[in-house]
Amino acid sequence: NAGVTQTPKFQVLKTGQSMTLQCAQDMNHNSMYWYRQDPGMGLRLIYYSASEGTTDKGEVPNGYNVSRLNKREFSLRLESAAPSQTSVYFCASSEIRGGAEAFFGQGTRLTVV
Amino acid sequence: AQSVAQPEDQVNVAEGNPLTVKCTYSVSGNPYLFWYVQYPNRGLQFLLKYITGDNLVKGSYGFEAEFNKSQTSFHLKKPSALVSDSALYFCAVRDTNDYKLSFGAGTTVTVRA
Repeated sequence: NAGVTQTPKFQVLKTGQSMTLQCAQDMNHNSMYWYRQDPGMGLRLIYYSASEGTTDKGEVPNGYNVSRLNKREFSLRLESAAPSQTSVYFCASSEIRGGAEAFFGQGTRLTVV
Repeated sequence: AQSVAQPEDQVNVAEGNPLTVKCTYSVSGNPYLFWYVQYPNRGLQFLLKYITGDNLVKGSYGFEAEFNKSQTSFHLKKPSALVSDSALYFCAVRDTNDYKLSFGAGTTVTVRA
């Protein structure tokens, strides 16, 4: 049982390049989340999805787009990368029922130069 | 809007001494509360949660947390800390009427031998 799988694990982009971070979960969870982690800032929510076909903005959505392709997959796209998007990105999923904890992937370390 | 505050960036304790990591929260309705731990270069691991009922909840690795509704707090505790407890700890909250999961900035715990 793989849980939450993120690809790639590491990526270096040049300013202005685009890329998509992939996330897949095999736990049949309805809710999925994208966070970024920066030193001293904790985890900040970028986007989340309560179910297939629905997405909502979190605290820091600017510069990102998401796609909930199906129940398993939730991708995060940077259309024109900026140095301020250098961060570690985490995907998570959880059951929709009340009080269920979220499960996290191992993260993607992105550097924009 | 919902939010989480972890007032201490760092907590330092000697091995064998009690460990407390503080967390306060704000939600519109009632909260689900969570604690996670992150070891270097790893994803987040779930420790424990409060859903309803008993205000003292017990979790993994000897950790426990006390929910205090009047003080809107959910402090993490361990009676006797181990060097291996040294890590980054995150508190998280979700309103029972929403799917958005918000995290605090994190507290770095260092347990010295």
